Amino acid sequence: QQQVKQSPQSLIVQKGGISIINCAYENTAFDYFPWYQQFPGKGPALLIAIRPDVSEKKEGRFTISFNKSAKQFSLHIMDSQPGDSATYFCAAQAAGNKLTFGGGTRVLVKP
Amino acid sequence: NAGVMQNPRHLVRRRGQEARLRCSPMKGHSHVYWYRQLPEEGLKFMVYLQKENIIDESGMPKERFSAEFPKEGPSILRIQQVVRGDSAAYFCASSRAGPKNIQYFGAGTRLSVL
Repeated sequence: QQQVKQSPQSLIVQKGGISIINCAYENTAFDYFPWYQQFPGKGPALLIAIRPDVSEKKEGRFTISFNKSAKQFSLHIMDSQPGDSATYFCAAQAAGNKLTFGGGTRVLVKP
Repeated sequence: NAGVMQNPRHLVRRRGQEARLRCSPMKGHSHVYWYRQLPEEGLKFMVYLQKENIIDESGMPKERFSAEFPKEGPSILRIQQVVRGDSAAYFCASSRAGPKNIQYFGAGTRLSVL
């Protein structure tokens, strides 16, 4: 049972463009939603996170939008750079600390 | 300030052998989590441990897999009698005590079963 669905699986964007990744969840007990960035051969690294009491959070070029009623959240990467080329994972966490990850989105930023 | 350390980085085993994966958490962290990543897939939770205690093992296969986090030393994920389907990247994460603390991931151990 996939509790967090992530789309698209991959995306190609031109340098300077906007990358948008969407996630949807089922479990209403989730109350913490982090995004992780993973480069080949490395472990995931926390990028940005949001709690459901806010609808948007921005850190630099990265913005999370959150729609609690629709049980959806998304990551926007503004002014995408070649160095942003990586795999991005959304995740969700309820009480108990374990993270439930989406399937990942491979982002390629073309120069 | 060292991060989460996992070793070995790469491990090759033949079918039927045992695999031992080690994880040293970040300094000051007392919680350890293990996740498995199959090729082209997301990470799947396996087990959550504190020192000398298994808190949540709901993601662990019922057979051949075990995990421990002793009072002294690293956390160990042990896979007995490995099969080809065990080939994956195994990631360890650690966090401070308490709910919703950030989990920091190690670089992973890539297990290949021949």
